[in-house]
Amino acid sequence: DTGVSQNPRHKITKRGQNVTFRCDPISEHNRLYWYRQTLGQGPEFLTYFQNEAQLEKSRLLSDRFSAERPKGSFSTLEIQRTEQGDSAMYLCASSSHRSYNEQFFGPGTRLTVL
Amino acid sequence: AQSVTQLDSQVPVFEEAPVELRCNYSSSVSVYLFWYVQYPNQGLQLLLKYLSGSTLVESINGFEAEFNKSQTSFHLRKPSVHISDTAEYFCAVSEGTNAGKSTFGDGTTLTVKP
Repeated sequence: DTGVSQNPRHKITKRGQNVTFRCDPISEHNRLYWYRQTLGQGPEFLTYFQNEAQLEKSRLLSDRFSAERPKGSFSTLEIQRTEQGDSAMYLCASSSHRSYNEQFFGPGTRLTVL
Repeated sequence: AQSVTQLDSQVPVFEEAPVELRCNYSSSVSVYLFWYVQYPNQGLQLLLKYLSGSTLVESINGFEAEFNKSQTSFHLRKPSVHISDTAEYFCAVSEGTNAGKSTFGDGTTLTVKP
């Protein structure tokens, strides 16, 4: 059973650098979600895709953030010109057309911006 | 807009004691409700869910939650906790639309002491 996988698991970068994270959803799940979780808080919705189409973006997703899902399978989340406030856990989740509301989460990518 | 309030940020209990983690939500439409558990440096694992039908839902490891529409609550309970239940618990709500994205509470840290 292959669940949602995310790479890398940890990323340390210097302020101003660009970073890219990858998420591989459960096979045949056509919905893919990105969330951000900061210390002491619950996950906050960033954006989601249905197949390759990005259907919604949160106001939290500034212009420095971009997400893609070019072939409707894996997705990438890129942060340009990172800031210390971007330090967080970035979680990916996927769901099936049979029940979009049941999301399966990956282990997350922990980003630390120095 | 929907929101979730977890009324207790930390709940310490002794092993084999009962526990209740409280969750209230607000939404203008019908909702689906979830409890997730998160162990340190890991992603979220779905503990149990209410989608429809019986308002009392149970997990395989002894947790249960009851959907109370009039009180807009979805409290999580377990009659006898184990040391291994020590973790962070998140309540989440997803509106009964087709979007599937969830809004999370800020979490409750359950610490089970011997």
